[in-house]
Amino acid sequence: NAGVTQTPKFQVLKTGQSMTLQCAQDMNHNSMYWYRQDPGMGLRLIYYSASEGTTDKGEVPNGYNVSRLNKREFSLRLESAAPSQTSVYFCASREGNLYGYTFGSGTRLTVV
Amino acid sequence: ELKVEQNPLFLSMQEGKNYTIYCNYSTTSDRLYWYRQDPGKSLESLFVLLSNGAVKQEGRLMASLDTKARLSTLHITAAVHDLSATYFCAVHDQAGTALIFGKGTTLSVSS
Repeated sequence: NAGVTQTPKFQVLKTGQSMTLQCAQDMNHNSMYWYRQDPGMGLRLIYYSASEGTTDKGEVPNGYNVSRLNKREFSLRLESAAPSQTSVYFCASREGNLYGYTFGSGTRLTVV
Repeated sequence: ELKVEQNPLFLSMQEGKNYTIYCNYSTTSDRLYWYRQDPGKSLESLFVLLSNGAVKQEGRLMASLDTKARLSTLHITAAVHDLSATYFCAVHDQAGTALIFGKGTTLSVSS
């Protein structure tokens, strides 16, 4: 099915461990985004990539890095996980700046 | 700083009654998005409101946009249990590069 695919769906990390969240879209969208969702906070933008080869910080980038590997894939890396990074992470993509998003199914991350 | 504020944040609804939730935003965005999220699920697009005065309806939900007042409303007609979910509104940031979301309104319908 066409859409945005995120892996893994669930992950438990120990404090200080690293991991990469993967995101791929098959809709030929130019822009891709990583958000985190915390109770009572809505969705907050971590990083985005307006087009292949570019990435920019969002509202809450500290502790994260991203890579836009190609037009399809946009990964989010936690170099040294902290309990404050326990959250649900959503990847999204869209065709251009005047369009809405298509969201992935999310990654539920717990850091202990 | 762009702000998107939804109210109420929680709404307990009785089946069959009508309700309205509000989304205020602080930028001069001419389009607004509504999303629905079921518990433990992702967000799905409900409405895209493209201009001042835009009105969209699907089933028991009707959304409208007043760009001059920087206000969107989501009206629920004759609430049913299937509408229990969290609803988010979102607008473009000042540069148009990303969407900024409200904190969401969680609707719970009881009989």
